Amino acid sequence: QQPVQSPQAVILREGEDAVINCSSSKALYSVHWYRQKHGEAPVFLMILLKGGEQKGHEKISASFNEKKQQSSLYLTASQLSYSGTYFCGTEWKQGGSEKLVFGKGTKLTVNP
Amino acid sequence: NAGVTQTPKFQVLKTGQSMTLQCAQDMNHEYMSWYRQDPGMGLRLIHYSVGAGITDQGEVPNGYNVSRSTTEDFPLRLLSAAPSQTSVYFCASSYSWASGRALVTGELFFGEGSRLTVL
Repeated sequence: QQPVQSPQAVILREGEDAVINCSSSKALYSVHWYRQKHGEAPVFLMILLKGGEQKGHEKISASFNEKKQQSSLYLTASQLSYSGTYFCGTEWKQGGSEKLVFGKGTKLTVNP
Repeated sequence: NAGVTQTPKFQVLKTGQSMTLQCAQDMNHEYMSWYRQDPGMGLRLIHYSVGAGITDQGEVPNGYNVSRSTTEDFPLRLLSAAPSQTSVYFCASSYSWASGRALVTGELFFGEGSRLTVL
């Protein structure tokens, strides 16, 4: 049920770009993206909704392929502050209610 | 702005003991949920609620109980603690809105987390 994230880890130099992917076997209503720094709670980055609507921080870019149930998070011109673990959350309907389930995360390290 | 408040932040239990993790939010969010986080496993959904009086099971509900008597509070009860329940627990809340036939969950606001150790 957990969405599959790839890669599991990525190391960048400051200024480089990265793409984190998330895929699900379920028919999704939305995809969420969060970043978590060590010892802290996850922090919201973006929601992508079925139908094309997006809500999130202006500096974050992501896509949602509804046909393939896949989403990608694009991190461009990375900064040291981008380091952390990124989680995608996928929302789908089971029975009478919608579940928001997260992947195992992608650890991003940005070095000077 | 209090947001989502979890207590306690740290707890050590012995196997077989019971306890309750408290979660309260002051944003009038209908949606609340509990996740556990273990190394390499990401955030796993335990239980969630879409409003007062309504709860549902997540991915890993066994050994946990929840209730939602008010909009503000969503406590998580460990009935008989086991070492496998050693984890970091996060409570989260959000608003929801109707989109077609679905109730879509908005941005999750997380509490600071509760680190539980079961010996």
